[in-house]
Amino acid sequence: AQSVTQLGSHVSVSEGALVLLRCNYSSSVPPYLFWYVQYPNQGLQLLLKYTTGATLVKGINGFEAEFKKSETSFHLTKPSAHMSDAAEYFCAVTSGGYNKLIFGAGTRLAVHP
Amino acid sequence: NAGVTQTPKFRVLKTGQSMTLLCAQDMNHEYMYWYRQDPGMGLRLIHYSVGEGTTAKGEVPDGYNVSRLKKQNFLLGLESAAPSQTSVYFCASSSWDSTNSPLHFGNGTRLTVT
Repeated sequence: AQSVTQLGSHVSVSEGALVLLRCNYSSSVPPYLFWYVQYPNQGLQLLLKYTTGATLVKGINGFEAEFKKSETSFHLTKPSAHMSDAAEYFCAVTSGGYNKLIFGAGTRLAVHP
Repeated sequence: NAGVTQTPKFRVLKTGQSMTLLCAQDMNHEYMYWYRQDPGMGLRLIHYSVGEGTTAKGEVPDGYNVSRLKKQNFLLGLESAAPSQTSVYFCASSSWDSTNSPLHFGNGTRLTVT
């Protein structure tokens, strides 16, 4: 069965610092992996996705993630944090067809001046 | 573009009351989903539908029913609300034309059961 583990429920960085949000997955089949972002009182928005091909995936707002099969990881990074990046981030893996997703518990990112 | 619209945005119920949450999408998507979001647990799939007139159980279906009478609408019903159903509910839709099409989410319904 597929599952997703996000290490760290809360991450705090300074503005301009590197953002690293960790995601490890378990999947019995080649996974499709996603990162979503949720701003306060809003739904989830797609940041980026990995399907096949290039293992480094670029998304919106300067975020990128690298699929590492050997480590079963799909960590999300951004070189320089901005105040507007403060939000909750969810890693997800497809499960059981019909584009259904299994989500991690989420990581809340705080960015301070 | 409206995308996925959920109504209502907020609701307070007493234990034992019933209600229906409405989800509407204007993207002509075949697939629709209902998730609930609870602190520290991410989003968990309640029910989903792969087309008009079809529904299927997800990870946490107990206490909920759904209907998809029209392609653009997906209703989530609570017949007898319980405090454990206090949560934020999200509807999502997805295209069938790819095995990795992303989900498009509504803005959620915050439900409190007292």
